[in-house]
Amino acid sequence: RKEVEQDPGPFNVPEGATVAFNCTYSNSASQSFFWYRQDCRKEPKLLMSVYSSGNEDGRFTAQLNRASQYISLLIRDSKLSDSATYLCVVNRDNTGKLIFGQGTTLQVKP
Amino acid sequence: NAGVTQTPKFRVLKTGQSMTLLCAQDMNHEYMYWYRQDPGMGLRLIHYSVGEGTTAKGEVPDGYNVSRLKKQNFLLGLESAAPSQTSVYFCASSYSTVKGGLSLGELFFGEGSRLTVL
Repeated sequence: RKEVEQDPGPFNVPEGATVAFNCTYSNSASQSFFWYRQDCRKEPKLLMSVYSSGNEDGRFTAQLNRASQYISLLIRDSKLSDSATYLCVVNRDNTGKLIFGQGTTLQVKP
Repeated sequence: NAGVTQTPKFRVLKTGQSMTLLCAQDMNHEYMYWYRQDPGMGLRLIHYSVGEGTTAKGEVPDGYNVSRLKKQNFLLGLESAAPSQTSVYFCASSYSTVKGGLSLGELFFGEGSRLTVL
């Protein structure tokens, strides 16, 4: 079993839809959590960090559930430009060892 | 505004050949990483470094070696390339502590190096 798991999708949604992705992690000692975005054939870029209290950045909301060991990303009012792969990243033990999930692909259609 | 620079960007090797990928960052980051990305597998950590002169194994270290002789450079070596090492390789760097609003986990990536082993 991978240490960080995501549903690879693809998620095909119409513009304006709300879509949610989940990511589960197996190491309960994991300390920090992040969502990255990767466009086709490009390098990943940080979308947002995930805090225990949950956090929001415009149309994006991230949540952390330590008891169930999962994090989520909610995208509201999807735009065509949101089409990308979303990567869940976990920093295990604050040792610097950052582990990525396999990514969830989102395709927003007109 | 260089950030993280990887060289070369493309390379084709024959099985058994050796090569070195160079990663250079100009942000004075303590942490540096090498990942490989394969279809359906996401990014997998090969090796990483938490400071000059130190390296550690990641998830898939076999067949690779690394060195961090200078803080700004992190080299990834393939001593005897195999077709299974055909992949896109990404280097990344980050701060080690909360600093100016940034925290460990905000990775800055290079543009990737596409390696094909025949």
